Amino acid sequence: EAGVAQSPRYKIIEKRQSVAFWCNPISGHATLYWYQQILGQGPKLLIQFQNNGVVDDSQLPKDRFSAERLKGVDSTLKIQPAKLEDSAVYLCASSLFGGPQHFGDGTRLSIL
Amino acid sequence: QQPVQSPQAVILREGEDAVINCSSSKALYSVHWYRQKHGEAPVFLMILLKGGEQKGHDKISASFNEKKQQSSLYLTASQLSYSGTYFCGTENQGGKLIFGQGTELSVKP
Repeated sequence: EAGVAQSPRYKIIEKRQSVAFWCNPISGHATLYWYQQILGQGPKLLIQFQNNGVVDDSQLPKDRFSAERLKGVDSTLKIQPAKLEDSAVYLCASSLFGGPQHFGDGTRLSIL
Repeated sequence: QQPVQSPQAVILREGEDAVINCSSSKALYSVHWYRQKHGEAPVFLMILLKGGEQKGHDKISASFNEKKQQSSLYLTASQLSYSGTYFCGTENQGGKLIFGQGTELSVKP
């Protein structure tokens, strides 16, 4: 089966600019997650979707981050405006109603 | 509350064994284990759902002590391919997975 697809793989922007990431989960996976992984740390959950509804977004900085999952399939995560501390790898994962999570290769974001 | 992993780093020779521990201050519903190689995505290893459950495949196994709110990952007769950072993820009844800070494992020839 095809894995979780993410794009772009790398992105370099200047602070205060905006950026968007895209994720296409494994077909049939109802649960989709966005994580932020800062170098040397474990992934931190930003938002969790169940189909197209939000299950948990308690750690999403809502003043600058937004995410949507229209039609319950693919998803986009946006940062506007970006800050230096947003430099990280953004990982998308999907699962079948919880259970093992399958991760995409991530987007490495660098803020100048 | 983020689970605490120990040790933070370990260096092994091929064929040696290692244990990685994961402890939580909160009651756990399940524990997940993942391995991440440098520059790659985390890869699922196993999930433990019941207190006292033990699982394993190949020479990697894990146990879950629900009472002590901790899990351990056992790597036996380590191979070069075992190198990477190991993360435990703890899940409470709310369904949210919280990852530990990771244990970096290096296996040398």
